[in-house]
Amino acid sequence: AQSVTQPDIHITVSEGASLELRCNYSYGATPYLFWYVQSPGQGLQLLLKYFSGDTLVQGIKGFEAEFKRSQSSFNLRKPSVHWSDAAEYFCAVGPGVTTDSWGKLQFGAGTQVVVTP
Amino acid sequence: EADIYQTPRYLVIGTGKKITLECSQTMGHDKMYWYQQDPGMELHLIHYSYGVNSTEKGDLSSESTVSRIRTEHFPLTLESARPSHTSQYLCASSREDEQYFGPGTRLTVT
Repeated sequence: AQSVTQPDIHITVSEGASLELRCNYSYGATPYLFWYVQSPGQGLQLLLKYFSGDTLVQGIKGFEAEFKRSQSSFNLRKPSVHWSDAAEYFCAVGPGVTTDSWGKLQFGAGTQVVVTP
Repeated sequence: EADIYQTPRYLVIGTGKKITLECSQTMGHDKMYWYQQDPGMELHLIHYSYGVNSTEKGDLSSESTVSRIRTEHFPLTLESARPSHTSQYLCASSREDEQYFGPGTRLTVT
């Protein structure tokens, strides 16, 4: 069965500092990988996704993520955080090419990011 | 900008009441989903649909039911609300694997 682990429940970072959020997955084949962000009282917004190809993926809001097959990881990074980056971040994994490919996602438990002045 | 809407955004209701949470999308997506999310927890898929007249239960058992009579509309119904149903409910839609989420409905059952 597929699973997603986000080891860090909560991270505090200073504004302007770099940020890295960890995500490890368990899946039998190469999955589709996603990072979503959720601001308080809002739904989830897609930051970036990896399907295939270049393992370094660029997303919105200055975020990037790197797929490392050998480590089953898909960590999210941002070189310099802004106060508006305070939110909860979810990693998700979905099936790759399947006969039905209906896009059922498994989400991690999320990482809450707090940005201090 | 994703066009997926949920109403109401917040609902406080007494035990035993019947409620329907609305979800609509204007993107023409065939696939739609309902997730349940408790504070600090992962999202759990409770229902999904491939298209009109298609509905399936998700990974997390739920006493709610759904219907899909029109492509754009995927309402969720609780026949008799209980305090254990207190949670946030998120609706999403997708064409393939990328899902677009609505803003959610925060339900409190007293």
